Amino acid sequence: NAGVMQNPRHLVRRRGQEARLRCSPMKGHSHVYWYRQLPEEGLKFMVYLQKENIIDESGMPKERFSAEFPKEGPSILRIQQVVRGDSAAYFCASSPPGSNTEAFFGQGTRLTVV
Amino acid sequence: GQSLEQPSEVTAVEGAIVQINCTYQTSGFYGLSWYQQHDGGAPTFLSYNGLDGLEETGRFSSFLSRSDSYGYLLLQELQMKDSASYFCVGDSGAGSYQLTFGKGTKLSVIP
Repeated sequence: NAGVMQNPRHLVRRRGQEARLRCSPMKGHSHVYWYRQLPEEGLKFMVYLQKENIIDESGMPKERFSAEFPKEGPSILRIQQVVRGDSAAYFCASSPPGSNTEAFFGQGTRLTVV
Repeated sequence: GQSLEQPSEVTAVEGAIVQINCTYQTSGFYGLSWYQQHDGGAPTFLSYNGLDGLEETGRFSSFLSRSDSYGYLLLQELQMKDSASYFCVGDSGAGSYQLTFGKGTKLSVIP
């Protein structure tokens, strides 16, 4: 049973470009969460999704950021018109239905904006 | 919202015992988890306290006291591979799966 898969592991974008981060949850998991981590900081919640639904996006910046979890395929975190401040590690986590006590994290995507 | 405070760094000797404390201020608090993260790696779940008291999992134990808004992670028989960052994490319970992470404690295990 593969774990949470994120790709790419590293992503470099120039200012103004778009970044697309992908996350495939563990098999059987229907809940997906995205977190952002700055150096020497804890993870900050961004958004919680179930298939085809955004459940809680209270941690998402109001502009340029969007997330989806389509019926088929991975969850996507999209950042439009990236700026230097978007440089961070973005982690995806998943959990099975009915569980909020343990989340399984992917290896993260390290976004660098130059 | 929630805020969780933990020491930024701890150093301990191989084979020793170390305790990482976490205090929290929160509304709607439900339970406390602990996650381990090695440099550049994925956070890994260690333990969860949904009730007051001690939870033991091998060399790791975690404790929660709701009345004191306090918890700790206890690591015994420290090994070099335990060098990592440890995060205390609060959750808001059913209906809100948002996890709130503390800033993490960087544990360095020395020979």
